Amino acid sequence: DAGITQSPRHKVTETGTPVTLRCHQTENHRYMYWYRQDPGHGLRLIHYSYGVKDTDKGEVSDGYSVSRSKTEDFLLTLESATSSQTSVYFCAITGEASTEAFFGQGTRLTVV
Amino acid sequence: GENVEQHPSTLSVQEGDSAVIKCTYSDSASNYFPWYKQELGKRPQLIIDIRSNVGEKKDQRIAVTLNKTAKHFSLHITETQPEDSAVYFCAASIGGGGNKLTFGTGTQLKVEL
Repeated sequence: DAGITQSPRHKVTETGTPVTLRCHQTENHRYMYWYRQDPGHGLRLIHYSYGVKDTDKGEVSDGYSVSRSKTEDFLLTLESATSSQTSVYFCAITGEASTEAFFGQGTRLTVV
Repeated sequence: GENVEQHPSTLSVQEGDSAVIKCTYSDSASNYFPWYKQELGKRPQLIIDIRSNVGEKKDQRIAVTLNKTAKHFSLHITETQPEDSAVYFCAASIGGGGNKLTFGTGTQLKVEL
């Protein structure tokens, strides 16, 4: 498996609180992505990064922000969590010459 | 943006039978079409992919076909086994180094003994 880990693996938080999820890779891949997975929707792209400090919005970016200060780390922040952000979040990476996306183990986030 | 539709949402087959899952896409610029398998509680994992310059690709018991004119692609699994039971997702993207995937909604495949 590609070296990609997410933390935390599980989190329960209250509505209105900030939450940060971390994705860490050891593959030195340029591209990193955050997806959310919900029943009936498959996986949907939240934000992605094409290099250090270079990020852009995906399909469902409202309520989320990201940061990438180092090649190996991509952070997803929910500024003020809402119940609609209860989901499983997956980080993914792709290399320069390959189109295969490798996924992390996922983070199950529950907003109560 | 791209829209990917996937059918059926659930599929039940007998062990040894074939299974077919179909997807359609909307953006004619899409040129990379991967299929992912996700077991319960696990991460999605690539099982096969195809690029728009190829009409068919096989890897042992699995194959993918692509019809660019009709904008649809299909996953074929032959001689199904219980370990094939999982959720399968199709996806489409422009490809290249930045591979932003648009996923279908998934197919729950159950292989019955």
